Amino acid sequence: DAKTTQPNSMESNEEEPVHLPCNHSTISGTDYIHWYRQLPSQGPEYVIHGLTSNVNNRMASLAIAEDRKSSTLILHRATLRDAAVYYCILIQGAQKLVFGQGTRLTINP
Amino acid sequence: EAQVTQNPRYLITVTGKKLTVTCSQNMNHEYMSWYRQDPGLGLRQIYYSMNVEVTDKGDVPEGYKVSRKEKRNFPLILESPSPNQTSLYFCASSPETSGKNEQFFGPGTRLTVL
Repeated sequence: DAKTTQPNSMESNEEEPVHLPCNHSTISGTDYIHWYRQLPSQGPEYVIHGLTSNVNNRMASLAIAEDRKSSTLILHRATLRDAAVYYCILIQGAQKLVFGQGTRLTINP
Repeated sequence: EAQVTQNPRYLITVTGKKLTVTCSQNMNHEYMSWYRQDPGLGLRQIYYSMNVEVTDKGDVPEGYKVSRKEKRNFPLILESPSPNQTSLYFCASSPETSGKNEQFFGPGTRLTVL
């Protein structure tokens, strides 16, 4: 399974943008890049996904490098409710999700 | 409301007493899976199912069974639970098996085996 590498933790201030990086140097051509987040005491929640092009939705933006070996999840204006563990995951075929340790995001008021 | 439900949400049991954790989705999704989450180990996939009567092992299937007799239900069965199966369990579903779609997760079942 293709692996992803994320920083263990990041910290930001409320109402500021947050850029969460993810390296996936062994990504294959058919792997989709997915981001999920897990708030305390809850199940993982889908954030965004993409294949090659940058993607935007109501929650976040996903910027994918041209060689697809890295991606960045962008929260445009962080709120306290965005404090969570963020997982970058590669998915292909049978939708086997391999979760890494993720990035624990702390938002300061 | 589109959702994945799990029951029970909390369970304390004893070693060897068979139990079933139910998972149901109301979105007509083909794909369903089970994960366990342990401190320091993250989420690991136990079993998954690509459609009715089609199941396959994930990364940590030992000690677990599943069945997919109906599209909406995917129960997780522990025939003889042991303390090392104490964990937080999540069920998830997705419309189909490619990476094009998001997975929807249930609220979790916290299992303690004494």
